[in-house]
Amino acid sequence: AQKITQTQPGMFVQEKEAVTLDCTYDTSDQSYGLFWYKQPSSGEMIFLIYQGSYDEQNATEGRYSLNFQKARKSANLVISASQLGDSAMYFCAMREGRGSWGKFQFGAGTQVVVTP
Amino acid sequence: DGGITQSPKYLFRKEGQNVTLSCEQNLNHDAMYWYRQDPGQGLRLIYYSQIVNDFQKGDIAEGYSVSREKKESFPLTVTSAQKNPTAFYLCASRPPGDYEQYFGPGTRLTVT
Repeated sequence: AQKITQTQPGMFVQEKEAVTLDCTYDTSDQSYGLFWYKQPSSGEMIFLIYQGSYDEQNATEGRYSLNFQKARKSANLVISASQLGDSAMYFCAMREGRGSWGKFQFGAGTQVVVTP
Repeated sequence: DGGITQSPKYLFRKEGQNVTLSCEQNLNHDAMYWYRQDPGQGLRLIYYSQIVNDFQKGDIAEGYSVSREKKESFPLTVTSAQKNPTAFYLCASRPPGDYEQYFGPGTRLTVT
């Protein structure tokens, strides 16, 4: 069963605007972590932001923020003030279980294209 | 410079041949992972290793094999039993605790 769902295969956004990428997850664990990665066309995976299941505040990292709604099991990524360099594939991932050895599950990704 | 290296970046093989993809890290991480990515899709876990001389199958282990003889190295062999080996392969490592995975640059394997 799919544990991470990203329902938006692709999105266009204008430069300087904000964009929200959707991510819902499914787990019965109480302790888990949620991650967002960016993958440019070069293929490298760039870590953006992390939210722990026990974190009460939404995570923020520069222009990235994570809108964490635990009851709805959603962890949407918000990119503010989009730049042309933000054009890439974005993946939501979840690590289940506490500690070092959790497996990660990735969503199918959302392709973002930023236009001038 | 600490990081993860994967070599080569591009690899071409004939069908029926085994091929080994290299993954080395100098981050002193215990956990290492191998993922497969097909065009336009997410990452699927092939194998992962928590410590030296120990590894577990991921979701799509059939047709692949790994070894973990050293902490720094986690090579992946794509065997002739793998029906559709052409893909982008990513290696990752991770420190203990609630941290993200660190990824290598990936290897694009083409089998014809």
